[in-house]
Amino acid sequence: EVQLVESGGGLVQPGGSLRLSCEVSGFSFNRYWMSWVRQAPGKGLEWVASIQQEGSEKNYVDSVKGRFTISRDNAKKSLYLQMYSLRGDDTAVYYCARDDSGMGLWVYWGQGTLVTVSS
Amino acid sequence: DIQMTQSPSSLSASVGDRVTITCRASQSIGNYLNWYQQKPGKAPKLLIYAASTLQSGVPSRFSGSGSGTDFTLTISSLQPEDFATFYCQQSYSTPIFTFGPGTKVDI
Repeated sequence: EVQLVESGGGLVQPGGSLRLSCEVSGFSFNRYWMSWVRQAPGKGLEWVASIQQEGSEKNYVDSVKGRFTISRDNAKKSLYLQMYSLRGDDTAVYYCARDDSGMGLWVYWGQGTLVTVSS
Repeated sequence: DIQMTQSPSSLSASVGDRVTITCRASQSIGNYLNWYQQKPGKAPKLLIYAASTLQSGVPSRFSGSGSGTDFTLTISSLQPEDFATFYCQQSYSTPIFTFGPGTKVDI
């Protein structure tokens, strides 16, 4: 059974940092692009970042470029999102998702982890 | 950047109704269009990819059509479990992806 489990969310002050993790099981992690997608409270979905199988290619939405870093550890079957300089509009549930096509086709998703940026 | 719009933003329907949701792209995206269903407090679920291909395990009452800039998601006979918000998403401008704003379906 394919499973993705996020962790690391919580309350952080504006300007602070946080690292999200996503541990996967039930599939060959190193064969897939992986992504982070977020959803602000009561709002729609927003793609945040994606990373290629070996980690050599990474892409970001403009609003997080220079502040967020996506990475992965294939040996640990884990995906990460390091977030710096957090702002109020980064408050959201962050989902990790498996990209089944390498072109933004997300079949499997985690349950999400809530990040709240507030003083 | 490619912008996605959806209409309506919300709708109320009854069990058994035929429901149609429209998604429009700001430029032609071919058939690089996916549809997701999201229930409250849950992760999104892929329903349809490549504009019209039904994802495995998704009931056949869901269908998608369109190409270029205009797309539709149709639920042929609405069921109680279909209460959800539906999102379109373009993958034409890979590696950048955008979702539509969503359509909330109330039963």
